[in-house]
Amino acid sequence: AQSVTQLGSHVSVSEGALVLLRCNYSSSVPPYLFWYVQYPNQGLQLLLKYTTGATLVKGINGFEAEFKKSETSFHLTKPSAHMSDAAEYFCAVSDRNTGGFKTIFGAGTRLFVKA
Amino acid sequence: GAGVSQSPSNKVTEKGKDVELRCDPISGHTALYWYRQSLGQGLEFLIYFQGNSAPDKSGLPSDRFSAERTGGSVSTLTIQRTQQEDSAVYLCASSLGLAGGHGGELFFGEGSRLTVL
Repeated sequence: AQSVTQLGSHVSVSEGALVLLRCNYSSSVPPYLFWYVQYPNQGLQLLLKYTTGATLVKGINGFEAEFKKSETSFHLTKPSAHMSDAAEYFCAVSDRNTGGFKTIFGAGTRLFVKA
Repeated sequence: GAGVSQSPSNKVTEKGKDVELRCDPISGHTALYWYRQSLGQGLEFLIYFQGNSAPDKSGLPSDRFSAERTGGSVSTLTIQRTQQEDSAVYLCASSLGLAGGHGGELFFGEGSRLTVL
């Protein structure tokens, strides 16, 4: 069975600092990988995804993530945090064996950005 | 509509009552999902549908929870004999899956907030 682990339920950074949100997965077959963001009082939206091809993927708002099969990781980064990045971030995996349908989410990491 | 629509947006009920939550997915989306979001618990997978079939119901917490989808479109999540621990935001999402050209992206509704007194 697949699982997703996000290290750190809360991460706090200063404005302009590097953002690093960690995600590790457990799966017998490398899954499809996603990061979603939930801004305060809003629904979830896709930040970026990895399905095939280049392992470094770029998403919206300057975020990127790298799929590392050897480390079973898909960490999310942004070089310089902005106040507007404060939100909750969810890593998710979907199962290749089900055609990418069943999608499991991590517990989420809340990002705080200090002025 | 253009997006995933859920109703009601808020529901307050008494312990022991039954509730129904409705989800209207994006037109043409073959897959439909239900998740539960509790404070500090992330998104808990409940069930997903491909068409009208539910290949995986493993996330339903108990036999008080059931879901159906008809006509490959609207879905209803029913919670019988509600308990206080059922209080949460219930999120619905739809997807075309990988074959749909969106790479398996889920499109979420705004959620139904359930409070059981």
